[in-house]
Amino acid sequence: RKEVEQDPGPFNVPEGATVAFNCTYSNSASQSFFWYRQDCRKEPKLLMSVYSSGNEDGRFTAQLNRASQYISLLIRDSKLSDSATYLCVVSTAGNTPLVFGKGTRLSVIA
Amino acid sequence: NAGVMQNPRHLVRRRGQEARLRCSPMKGHSHVYWYRQLPEEGLKFMVYLQKENIIDESGMPKERFSAEFPKEGPSILRIQQVVRGDSAAYFCASSPPSYGSGNSYEQYFGPGTRLTVT
Repeated sequence: RKEVEQDPGPFNVPEGATVAFNCTYSNSASQSFFWYRQDCRKEPKLLMSVYSSGNEDGRFTAQLNRASQYISLLIRDSKLSDSATYLCVVSTAGNTPLVFGKGTRLSVIA
Repeated sequence: NAGVMQNPRHLVRRRGQEARLRCSPMKGHSHVYWYRQLPEEGLKFMVYLQKENIIDESGMPKERFSAEFPKEGPSILRIQQVVRGDSAAYFCASSPPSYGSGNSYEQYFGPGTRLTVT
């Protein structure tokens, strides 16, 4: 079983749509959770950390369910510039290596 | 505050040559991580270093690969006798020092070095 699993997509959605990505992780010792975005042939960029209480940053909302070992990302009012691959990332506490999912590809269409 | 810097951005080597990839962490960051992304694959952890110490090298291939982070200067990832399968994007990330336990520290990535082995 992969440590971090994501639906690879692609998700093709029109501008203005709401889209949700899900991710599951297998290591119950995971303590830190993140969403990164990666544009084609570029480095991953931190989108947001994910906290147990859930958190929101503008059009982006992240949720964590520790019992189900499940993380989600919701994007509202999609923009063309949201087109990218979204990476679900986990690690154990402190300064430890990140474990990446393979990513979910999003294409927002005009 | 300059971000994580990596050079070269692109590196072409023939089979059997050596590749040296350099990474300078963000100012104030003392932890450096190297990750590799093979074509159409996710990022995989290779090695985690602090100044003059390798903390975790569980993701490094046993042969031909080595890494260092000297007291002065950038972190270096060295690949000896490169093979075609080493062609990939190599990303370096850095994070700030740990203060106490249980805190999560976000890692910030450099632009990567794309290694092509011909």
